[in-house]
Amino acid sequence: ETGVTQSPTHLIKTRGQQVTLRCSSQSGHNTVSWYQQALGQGPQFIFQYYREEKNGRGNFPPRFSGLQFPNYSSELNVNALELDDSALYLCASSSDGTLQFFGPGTRLTVL
Amino acid sequence: QKEVEQNSGPLSVPEGAIASLNCTYSDRGSQSFFWYRQYSGKSPELIMSIYSNGDKEDGRFTAQLNKASQYVSLLIRDSQPSDSATYLCAVNMLTGYQKVTFGTGTKLQVIP
Repeated sequence: ETGVTQSPTHLIKTRGQQVTLRCSSQSGHNTVSWYQQALGQGPQFIFQYYREEKNGRGNFPPRFSGLQFPNYSSELNVNALELDDSALYLCASSSDGTLQFFGPGTRLTVL
Repeated sequence: QKEVEQNSGPLSVPEGAIASLNCTYSDRGSQSFFWYRQYSGKSPELIMSIYSNGDKEDGRFTAQLNKASQYVSLLIRDSQPSDSATYLCAVNMLTGYQKVTFGTGTKLQVIP
């Protein structure tokens, strides 16, 4: 059984740029949630996709967007990057939306 | 009041002792509760889930849930230096969709 994978592992961008992060869910899982984790903080919920439909959204601005593909993999897009967007971005997959398994994360640095 | 609260620590315990990690939550209707372990620079790893009042044991780990007091805890018996990590409490709240809210985590240090 393949676990959750994310790409890239690390990314450095400059303020104002756009970034796309990718996630492949665990086999058999149809729900993907994205989280932002700043240093010393717990993961903050960005949004969740269930069978290609957005199933909920946290308190993040519209420049954070995403989608889920028919194979249940997912993308997180962030436009107009700001310095505060520097964080570890985590993708979690689940078969029921609650019992979540995390990928290794993408470390984004915005300069 | 934060939705999920944890003491940030660090909590220091000697090797072989019992480590007790605590978490409170605000939504009385919460149904599912999770503990994750996160090593520095790594992603969270699910170690326990609990859904009903009482204790749930898995090896050296015991999760305890008291819904009336809105309190969930994690006990680690025979603590090892390899248990040194940040432990995240996560709660599934009734929001109309399956949203899991995390606490800020408690840093555990096991002293050899």
